[in-house]
Amino acid sequence: GQNIDQPTEMTATEGAIVQINCTYQTSGFNGLFWYQQHAGEAPTFLSYNVLDGLEEKGRFSSFLSRSKGYSYLLLKELQMKDSASYLCAVRNSNYQLIWGAGTKLIIKP
Amino acid sequence: IAGITQAPTSQILAAGRRMTLRCTQDMRHNAMYWYRQDLGLGLRLIHYSNTAGTTGKGEVPDGYSVSRANTDDFPLTLASAVPSQTSVYFCASSDSPGSAGELFFGEGSRLTVL
Repeated sequence: GQNIDQPTEMTATEGAIVQINCTYQTSGFNGLFWYQQHAGEAPTFLSYNVLDGLEEKGRFSSFLSRSKGYSYLLLKELQMKDSASYLCAVRNSNYQLIWGAGTKLIIKP
Repeated sequence: IAGITQAPTSQILAAGRRMTLRCTQDMRHNAMYWYRQDLGLGLRLIHYSNTAGTTGKGEVPDGYSVSRANTDDFPLTLASAVPSQTSVYFCASSDSPGSAGELFFGEGSRLTVL
């Protein structure tokens, strides 16, 4: 079967750094996405990785290792507005998106 | 309108009733999708359309139908609603299914079936 695993919930402190991990097993690989979803709202796109390595975009970075079936989202200088769920999704060989259940990130002052 | 619009935003429905969730996009995207989101589960694809005039089944299509008469509209119909269809439904679009392009989501339709 195909599955995406990510922690259910994480807690971090305002101003700190947090890393959200995602491991996947899918039938083929055509890219990995990270989305942010605030409670009661729609998911919004954060990042896309298709090659191994780190993609940096402001305070957010995303890393991919295809050989390990592993990605992480790194959030720096955490702000209260970063409290949200973070969704990992992998596009398989059929160009279907397989979604993780999401990681709820709680930021404490 | 900018992006994707869904209607209604929220609905309570009696079991056995027919319901259509509407979705309209103004980005001229070729591909459109319907997902349901349930607590503790990832987004699950119900149906999709890669281009106007074509549709396909996703992971959980039973009890749902879609149509894609034109580029902009992609309604989702529950022919006879059941309580297990209580969920938040998201419509999404992308410029093409295989591109690196992101998915754009509507604000969601919260459906409760009693």
